[in-house]
Amino acid sequence: GQNIDQPTEMTATEGAIVQINCTYQTSGFNGLFWYQQHAGEAPTFLSYNVLDGLEEKGRFSSFLSRSKGYSYLLLKELQMKDSASYLCAVRDQNYQLIWGAGTKLIIKP
Amino acid sequence: ETGVTQTPRHLVMGMTNKKSLKCEQHLGHNAMYWYKQSAKKPLELMFVYNFKEQTENNSVPSRFSPECPNSSHLFLHLHTLQPEDSALYLCASSLAGEAVDTQYFGPGTRLTVL
Repeated sequence: GQNIDQPTEMTATEGAIVQINCTYQTSGFNGLFWYQQHAGEAPTFLSYNVLDGLEEKGRFSSFLSRSKGYSYLLLKELQMKDSASYLCAVRDQNYQLIWGAGTKLIIKP
Repeated sequence: ETGVTQTPRHLVMGMTNKKSLKCEQHLGHNAMYWYKQSAKKPLELMFVYNFKEQTENNSVPSRFSPECPNSSHLFLHLHTLQPEDSALYLCASSLAGEAVDTQYFGPGTRLTVL
């Protein structure tokens, strides 16, 4: 079966750096997405990786290793507004998105 | 209005009621999706429409009935639901055929079935 694993919850301190990991086992691979979802709101697109390596976008970076079935989202200079759930999703060989259950990130002052 | 909108935002219904959820996208997309989001579970894809044609129905019970009259509007008709159907129902849209085909989500309808 297809599976996406990410930690259920993480806690970090304002101003620090946090890395949220995502491992996947899917039938084929056609890209990996990260979304941010604040409580009671829509998931919003953060990043997309299809080739190995690091994609940087401001305070957020996303890394992919296809051979290891692994990605991470790196958040720098954490702010209180970064408290949210972070969803990892992989597009499989049929171009269907397979979703992880999300990682709830709690930022403490 | 911009992006993807959904109404109502909250809905409480009894098991014998009939109600409909509405989704509208203002992004010029040609694909629309219904997802179910339950606490601590992955998003579950329910239905996909490409160019108004239904292309996915992931074994969803018949008490959920989708309708896509045009590429901007999507409905989910509900009848004789069960308490376990209580969840957040999310609508999304994308530009099918694009290399990345990113999905953009609405804020969801929080559904409670009594």
